[in-house]
Amino acid sequence: DGGITQSPKYLFRKEGQNVTLSCEQNLNHDAMYWYRQDPGQGLRLIYYSQIVNDFQKGDIAEGYSVSREKKESFPLTVTSAQKNPTAFYLCASSWGFGTGELFFGEGSRLTVL
Amino acid sequence: EDKVVQSPLSLVVHEGDTVTLNCSYEVTNFRSLLWYKQEKKAPTFLFMLTSSGIEKKSGRLSSILDKKELFSILNITATQTGDSAVYLCAVDDNYGQNFVFGPGTRLSVLP
Repeated sequence: DGGITQSPKYLFRKEGQNVTLSCEQNLNHDAMYWYRQDPGQGLRLIYYSQIVNDFQKGDIAEGYSVSREKKESFPLTVTSAQKNPTAFYLCASSWGFGTGELFFGEGSRLTVL
Repeated sequence: EDKVVQSPLSLVVHEGDTVTLNCSYEVTNFRSLLWYKQEKKAPTFLFMLTSSGIEKKSGRLSSILDKKELFSILNITATQTGDSAVYLCAVDDNYGQNFVFGPGTRLSVLP
């Protein structure tokens, strides 16, 4: 079945450690996105990528980094520079350039102790 | 600054009631408005609206967009406990380069 797979689903880390969240899609979508969701708030865009080897910062990119070396994969690294990293992270994909809706993965919940 | 506002933020109803959820927006390059249902983790797609005045319908759910007044409503008739979820409104602001989300409306349907 086509879809988006995020891993891990739950992750605990100590302060000061970098963590990488995985996102893989087999929908053949061009565009991929990372959103952060905090309680009581909407989804906020961290990074997006419309094509391989290209990505753009969203509204809250500070303290995060991404890569897009393959069409199927868009990993997100939460660095130690991110001041408040505990959150629910959602990866999404779409056909790109406004041609359709976002498809979401199941999310990764990161807790920094 | 691009903004999507939803109201109410929280709503409690009983099974069988009809509810109307509101979404208003201020964005620079409107392309489309989308509604999602989020029960636990992954938001699931409900509707995408691009044209004013055309109602989209799926079972007990329907939605309509008013591009002149910059808002959309999501109606749910004969609510069921399975409709309990957070309903998210999002606007495609720049040809898929940025989907701006509202805070969501948390709907609780009591038996």
